[in-house]
Amino acid sequence: KQEVTQIPAALSVPEGENLVLNCSFTDSAIYNLQWFRQDPGKGLTSLLLIQSSQREQTSGRLNASLDKSSGRSTLYIAASQPGDSATYLCAVVILTGGGNKLTFGTGTQLKVEL
Amino acid sequence: NAGVMQNPRHLVRRRGQEARLRCSPMKGHSHVYWYRQLPEEGLKFMVYLQKENIIDESGMPKERFSAEFPKEGPSILRIQQVVRGDSAAYFCASSRQQGGGETQYFGPGTRLLVL
Repeated sequence: KQEVTQIPAALSVPEGENLVLNCSFTDSAIYNLQWFRQDPGKGLTSLLLIQSSQREQTSGRLNASLDKSSGRSTLYIAASQPGDSATYLCAVVILTGGGNKLTFGTGTQLKVEL
Repeated sequence: NAGVMQNPRHLVRRRGQEARLRCSPMKGHSHVYWYRQLPEEGLKFMVYLQKENIIDESGMPKERFSAEFPKEGPSILRIQQVVRGDSAAYFCASSRQQGGGETQYFGPGTRLLVL
C-alpha cells in the first residue's frame, strides 16, 4: 500500500527566505507526482506535475525534483513571500486499471512572515 | 473556460438526513474523481467515474455512500443517513483523459457539517 509522508508538518519562515519542502513515498512504482497548494477553506491548486521519467519541473519561483528510486521529492520555493502562506500537498499516481487516482501526503503548512 | 464547479459550498445536515453533493467537471473533461478530507487528515480517494460508469470505488465506504456521473448533468455524491463522522470537506476533481500524465483539476469543495 502506497504511503506518502511530508516533512515538516509545519514551517514558519521570514519573508525572502529560500525553503525546501520534502515528500517521501513508499512504493517507487509511481507514474507521476504532483504538488498542490491549498489555501484555508479553499480547493487545491496544482503547482507542478513531474512525470516518472523526469527529474524536475520548474515554474517561476518553484522547482520540484523527483528521485523515484529513493522515493523522494522536494519542492523548492525561492525568495518566499507572505502570499506563499498555505498548505502544500504532494500526491503520487500509480496507474492501475482503475485510472490515475491520487494518493496524498498530509501536507506541510507554510507561513511566511513579514 | 470555467473550472470545476461544486455545489453547495457548505451543507448542514442533521443526523439521519441525506446529503447530495454536486460536481460539474471542466468543459471537455469526462473523468471525475471524488476525494474526502476529514478534519486533521489528508485527502483520501473515494471514487473514480467516467460518464455513466463507476471505474474504481475502492475508497468508498461500504454503506450509505453512492456516486453517479450521468450522461447529462453533474456528478453526484450521495450520502444517506448521515452521521457526525461524515462531517468533512468533499472535493471533486476532473481530468480530460485517463492517462497518468493528465493533471487533475480540483473544485473548491463542499464542506459538510452533520449536527
